[in-house]
Amino acid sequence: AQKVTQAQTEISVVEKEDVTLDCVYETRDTTYYLFWYKQPPSGELVFLIRRNSFDEQNEISGRYSWNFQKSTSSFNFTITASQVVDSAVYFCALKSWGAQKLVFGQGTRLTINP
Amino acid sequence: DVKVTQSSRYLVKRTGEKVFLECVQDMDHENMFWYRQDPGLGLRLIYFSYDVKMKEKGDIPEGYSVSREKKERFSLILESASTNQTSMYLCASIDWAGWTFGYGYTFGSGTRLTVV
Repeated sequence: AQKVTQAQTEISVVEKEDVTLDCVYETRDTTYYLFWYKQPPSGELVFLIRRNSFDEQNEISGRYSWNFQKSTSSFNFTITASQVVDSAVYFCALKSWGAQKLVFGQGTRLTINP
Repeated sequence: DVKVTQSSRYLVKRTGEKVFLECVQDMDHENMFWYRQDPGLGLRLIYFSYDVKMKEKGDIPEGYSVSREKKERFSLILESASTNQTSMYLCASIDWAGWTFGYGYTFGSGTRLTVV
């Protein structure tokens, strides 16, 4: 069975602080894909990143970075120098090779206070 | 940019009504999905379709059906709405050609359905 766990239900920080959102996944498949999505108050899920299981390179995109560690089955997301516009619900998701669907974590509500 | 459009942002329906949620995508994607989002549960897959007139059950299909008569449109049907179907419903699509370039699934803005 596949499972994604985002243990942090809500996080609240002050603007300019760094914040890390945790994601732990379970799968027996050797080939799989991991995702992060952002859901602002407008409701639409915005695609942030996709990472393949055979590529453990960390990724940085501006203030966003992702740390993929197969040894601990984790795919954590860090926002550096957070801004109020980063306030949203963030979802981590998993897809197996050959499967159609995404399996989502419960989501983490991130609030950045000015 | 690919757009996935859900026809209603908010809906209020009565128990027992038949409810149609509509989703349209504009990029000729083969695969379309309906998810339900509830607090603390994340998103759960209701149904998906990989081609016109083709459908597959997801994890929570009970009480729902779907229709895909045209490639761009995927409808979710609540045959007899109940209060436990009050939720946020999100439609998504993906094109496997885009997948090879590292793209993800594209989601609509959601329909918040309240059944009273």
